[in-house]
Amino acid sequence: GAGVSQSPRYKVAKRGQDVALRCDPISGHVSLFWYQQALGQGPEFLTYFQNEAQLDKSGLPSDRFFAERPEGSVSTLKIQRTQQEDSAVYLCASSRGLGGIYEQYFGPGTRLTVT
Amino acid sequence: GQQLNQSPQSMFIQEGEDVSMNCTSSSIFNTWLWYKQDPGEGPVLLIALYKAGELTSNGRLTAQFGTTRKDSFLNISASIPSDVGIYFCAGYNTNAGKSTFGDGTTLTVKP
Repeated sequence: GAGVSQSPRYKVAKRGQDVALRCDPISGHVSLFWYQQALGQGPEFLTYFQNEAQLDKSGLPSDRFFAERPEGSVSTLKIQRTQQEDSAVYLCASSRGLGGIYEQYFGPGTRLTVT
Repeated sequence: GQQLNQSPQSMFIQEGEDVSMNCTSSSIFNTWLWYKQDPGEGPVLLIALYKAGELTSNGRLTAQFGTTRKDSFLNISASIPSDVGIYFCAGYNTNAGKSTFGDGTTLTVKP
């Protein structure tokens, strides 16, 4: 399909392991966003890319979280030394324009469980 | 930081009833967005509001951007079973890349 895809859909990690979550945005979309959604809550902003430039990373909870989008398309969110509080659904969204003013199309998310 | 309060937290209604939910903020937004999220999926945009006082409809859905820019409401008329899901409001300012989401209203529709 032509939507945003994310992989893996589910990830179980032991505390202390590193994980990498992938986002394939809609082809040609300039902006890409990562959100963290805890159970029973709304998505919380993590970081925003415009093409390959990371313009806002103010939502990343700690320096264990790192995101990249080296060629301005696929993005990877990496979490080092995972902790139990990192358990959440990680959502990726893309939009065709600059910034969040244009409709953001969300992927299905990656559910991360840290044991 | 900015926080959005959504109410009610959950609603149980009969099919055919109308539904109203709202969202208030401690600070101003210049765009309000309403999303619906189904289990195992990402949120899908329902309605976007760009001007204070604006009233916008999308089928059975109607949303309004409050005149103070600190609130918005969403109405669903003549609810049907497929309206079941979690509805989120989100606020956005054009000088920022991010949207701030509320914690959602969970809607259950009994046939």
